[in-house]
Amino acid sequence: GAGVSQTPSNKVTEKGKYVELRCDPISGHTALYWYRQSLGQGPEFLIYFQGTGAADDSGLPNDRFFAVRPEGSVSTLKIQRTERGDSAVYLCASSLGASPETQYFGPGTRLLVL
Amino acid sequence: GENVEQHPSTLSVQEGDSAVIKCTYSDSASNYFPWYKQELGKGPQLIIDIRSNVGEKKDQRIAVTLNKTAKHFSLHITETQPEDSAVYFCAVSLGGYQKVTFGTGTKLQVIP
Repeated sequence: GAGVSQTPSNKVTEKGKYVELRCDPISGHTALYWYRQSLGQGPEFLIYFQGTGAADDSGLPNDRFFAVRPEGSVSTLKIQRTERGDSAVYLCASSLGASPETQYFGPGTRLLVL
Repeated sequence: GENVEQHPSTLSVQEGDSAVIKCTYSDSASNYFPWYKQELGKGPQLIIDIRSNVGEKKDQRIAVTLNKTAKHFSLHITETQPEDSAVYFCAVSLGGYQKVTFGTGTKLQVIP
């Protein structure tokens, strides 16, 4: 079946602008995760949704970052007043449930803030 | 929070040789240990995982070992092939609906 999809695949924006990144999880997966991967590093956790609610947002770096999942499926990561340091690959993952807890990753959105 | 260290950062092997990547973690409560392979321009792909009630797991040419006492786990790839070339990440989780903490990655190059 279809895997996790993310759009856009690439996004170039200017410092101070607002961006939205979209994630479509695998159908039927209840859990959705956002990670951020800087060049040469492993992915770093941002936020996790169980259904529509954010169960753990401890990884969001500051209040410029926000994510929603209004219907328990598609999620949008929103970044306000972008800064050059926000440039990274933003990865989305989904899992079927708590057991097995395998997280399946999408291809990521490459964000470049000029 | 959890801290995961991964070594080596780069590894070059001849085709057909074995490759070993090692990781240590800090939180003794962690009980789920996945390994991911990431190719250029793609998201991480799970290749094998192990849970804390198991000491070793094999899947064809790939094996993972876990030493919970030492908080150490390793990935072993035998009979390496050029298509094994990629970045490999170890990861650690408390299991269930919990975030995964990744290591810093190992860039594996298999030389034909």
